Amino acid sequence: ETGVTQTPRHLVMGMTNKKSLKCEQHLGHNAMYWYKQSAKKPLELMFVYNFKEQTENNSVPSRFSPECPNSSHLFLHLHTLQPEDSALYLCASSFGSAAGGLAQETQYFGPGTRLLVL
Amino acid sequence: TQLLEQSPQFLSIQEGENLTVYCNSSSVFSSLQWYRQEPGEGPVLLVTVVTGGEVKKLKRLTFQFGDARKDSSLHITAAQPGDTGLYLCAGTTSGTYKYIFGTGTRLKVLA
Repeated sequence: ETGVTQTPRHLVMGMTNKKSLKCEQHLGHNAMYWYKQSAKKPLELMFVYNFKEQTENNSVPSRFSPECPNSSHLFLHLHTLQPEDSALYLCASSFGSAAGGLAQETQYFGPGTRLLVL
Repeated sequence: TQLLEQSPQFLSIQEGENLTVYCNSSSVFSSLQWYRQEPGEGPVLLVTVVTGGEVKKLKRLTFQFGDARKDSSLHITAAQPGDTGLYLCAGTTSGTYKYIFGTGTRLKVLA
């Protein structure tokens, strides 16, 4: 138990569905991250929020829409996904920096949501 | 594009054996981390190395950062079934918080 929880743990959706992934951290952190882990590719950073402000969008398609209402919660809204979007989606958190820099912070990962797009 | 290659990709060994996993890149990293990920879980940080030539030990695990900070190795002594998992290295360059993750080594230790 790392203090980062993700729901649901598994999700099957059709290409026309809209769904959301939720991440919650109980560590008092201020930075949160979404990663995608596919079977044949390295872990890929998708989005970063620092003190609720989005600081990174790593060229992610618009069918993925993040939301960070507060420092403890992070959502990933999914809309009209493709089968190649099937993957494990991991959330992580770190201390964060009010000054804006996040260099070399230790990230704590949640267990992930296993997504299958049919 | 920065790339971290890990080798071997898969490794299956008997309990008690020793093994080494490698993480190589053509890029220089200001720090490098090793994670272990078990099935159904997210990666868990094992160690961070920041100085070229640095060696860190964590019980039966020995981590080394290359002198030129382009490569790293993880050595496990007397492997146990509990060491089974996906081992990931991740590096970051100076001035950025973004970690580039390696391709991973999937280790299975048989009892």
